[in-house]
Amino acid sequence: QKEVEQDPGPLSVPEGAIVSLNCTYSNSAFQYFMWYRQYSRKGPELLMYTYSSGNKEDGRFTAQVDKSSKYISLFIRDSQPSDSATYLCAIGSGNTGKLIFGQGTTLQVKP
Amino acid sequence: GAVVSQHPSRVICKSGTSVKIECRSLDFQATTMFWYRQFPKQSLMLMATSNEGSKATYEQGVEKDKFLINHASLTLSTLTVTSAHPEDSSFYICSAIKVGSNQPQHFGDGTRLSIL
Repeated sequence: QKEVEQDPGPLSVPEGAIVSLNCTYSNSAFQYFMWYRQYSRKGPELLMYTYSSGNKEDGRFTAQVDKSSKYISLFIRDSQPSDSATYLCAIGSGNTGKLIFGQGTTLQVKP
Repeated sequence: GAVVSQHPSRVICKSGTSVKIECRSLDFQATTMFWYRQFPKQSLMLMATSNEGSKATYEQGVEKDKFLINHASLTLSTLTVTSAHPEDSSFYICSAIKVGSNQPQHFGDGTRLSIL
């Protein structure tokens, strides 16, 4: 079993839809949780990060963490064609700063 | 803030050449920088962790003599792919963490390396 599981998709939605992206993880020691967006041929761009269970909102993006279920989600409201990218969850623990990445979910938002 | 610059963005060279990639934190000091490798449609695979002033820590299966890492200052780390071969062709990405804070990694825009 991989430490972090993420459905690679691809996921295709119409413009304006609510998008739900999810990851599960196996190690309860993980302490911090991040979502990155990666456009083709670019480095990942940090979208959200959190250290606790619950919801964190930033504009159209909401990150949700459920430590009891070892499940994290990213919701995108009012999705736009410019949101089309690969979304990577990343999870870490300890003081090294090292992250374990999910496989990434490719999202396409159609106009 | 938290801008990471990576250079060059694209390298094409002959087999046997050594290639150096630079990673700079432009507006912050980085205690730690990470080097990743990414194949098409795959996730990031951590190659090594680079701490300023000390030797890099390599992940299992990564040849330290093949991928030389130097972290000479709090704003610069370099990755040198020595005697590169076609199988070393990949997308190499660096990231950095700010000094003294439990902050997430910020990534450069990657270097696409093609070995002919």
